[in-house]
Amino acid sequence: SYELTQPPSLSVSPGQTASISCSGHKLEDKYISWYQQKPGQSPVRVIYQDAKRSSGIPERFSGSNSGNTATLTISGTQTMDEADYYCQAWDSSTAWVFGGGTKLTVL
Amino acid sequence: EVQLVQSGAEAKRPGSIVRISCKVSGYTFTDYSMRWVQQAPGKGLEWVGLVNPKNDETKYAEKFQGRVIMTADTSRDTAYIEVTNLRYEDTAMYYCTTDAGDYWGQGTLVTVSS
Repeated sequence: SYELTQPPSLSVSPGQTASISCSGHKLEDKYISWYQQKPGQSPVRVIYQDAKRSSGIPERFSGSNSGNTATLTISGTQTMDEADYYCQAWDSSTAWVFGGGTKLTVL
Repeated sequence: EVQLVQSGAEAKRPGSIVRISCKVSGYTFTDYSMRWVQQAPGKGLEWVGLVNPKNDETKYAEKFQGRVIMTADTSRDTAYIEVTNLRYEDTAMYYCTTDAGDYWGQGTLVTVSS
């Protein structure tokens, strides 16, 4: 089955740029979504179709997908962005697969 | 406003069955498939499967094949997931989400304990 790999953790200072990677075989051939999940809350989709921002998501969130790696970039990271982030791909026309998640710490 | 409202937390014995509901409002229920996602305590998200309310077609992740049943009641605008033969490792939060992942339920905690 298809697998997505994310770094377990990433730490940045407020105002810096956070780049979270998601790797998989020929990932550029699949659409990627990114989800943000804060403790005790349901996931929130921040990016879909590789680079489109979901409604209400700040412009500092952006996405890209090329080759075997998709990247979620948060420019000017704020303390409120501290959360777990998951990438998700379509493994077929209907099945989903998630990456293992990346814990973003902002301090 | 789109809303997905799930049923409450459940405590179950090993080997039993649990059924979780997800009632939708704010869009036409039959327009989109409903997906279910599992999250074990302290772990990541795992896709369980989906049900298409328009034709009752289902697709399950291989890990859950044979132990989960997803259905949809169009008269109630409600999707269901049933997990059979519960195991300790089924202890998790279960989320329903729209086909595109743009709306999520609040989650239902299932605890399997003897």
